[in-house]
Amino acid sequence: RKEVEQDPGPFNVPEGATVAFNCTYSNSASQSFFWYRQDCRKEPKLLMSVYSSGNEDGRFTAQLNRASQYISLLIRDSKLSDSATYLCVVMNLKAAGNKLTFGGGTRVLVKP
Amino acid sequence: DTAVSQTPKYLVTQMGNDKSIKCEQNLGHDTMYWYKQDSKKFLKIMFSYNNKELIINETVPNRFSPKSPDKAHLNLHINSLELGDSAVYFCASSQLAGGFVWFFGPGTRLTVL
Repeated sequence: RKEVEQDPGPFNVPEGATVAFNCTYSNSASQSFFWYRQDCRKEPKLLMSVYSSGNEDGRFTAQLNRASQYISLLIRDSKLSDSATYLCVVMNLKAAGNKLTFGGGTRVLVKP
Repeated sequence: DTAVSQTPKYLVTQMGNDKSIKCEQNLGHDTMYWYKQDSKKFLKIMFSYNNKELIINETVPNRFSPKSPDKAHLNLHINSLELGDSAVYFCASSQLAGGFVWFFGPGTRLTVL
């Protein structure tokens, strides 16, 4: 089983709609969680960190469920520019090197 | 100014050749990484250096050898290239500053023919 798993999609989303997707992680020692965005042929870029109480950044809302070991991302009022692959990332602060462990990504396509 | 830069951006080469990818960060970060993104889009850590010291060495063939001449540079040398080495290689750097912050380079797309 992969340490971080995501539905690869694609999620085809009408412009203006809401889309949400989850990511599950298997290592209960994971302590920090992030969503990264990766555009085609580009490097991953931090979208937002995920905090225990859940957090919002504009149209994006992230939630963490430690008991069930998943995090979620919700995008409201989708824009065409939201089309990208969203990477779920976890980090175990006790592991050497503070490495990031990535999921395979969820592809989102926002269409007019 | 580019925070994390990599050269070359594209690399096409024959099987059996030896090649190097260079990475530089101008952020003053202590830790640098090499990640590999294969055709299935999974990003996997390969190596990590902290202040020129190797701290992460995942299960990677010993044909791959990282070198960190100083904390701003982390290069990756690959010997005897194989078809399966074709991937995008991303360099990254990180620092603990009110939470961890990572920056990725633009990637090097390696194609082995």
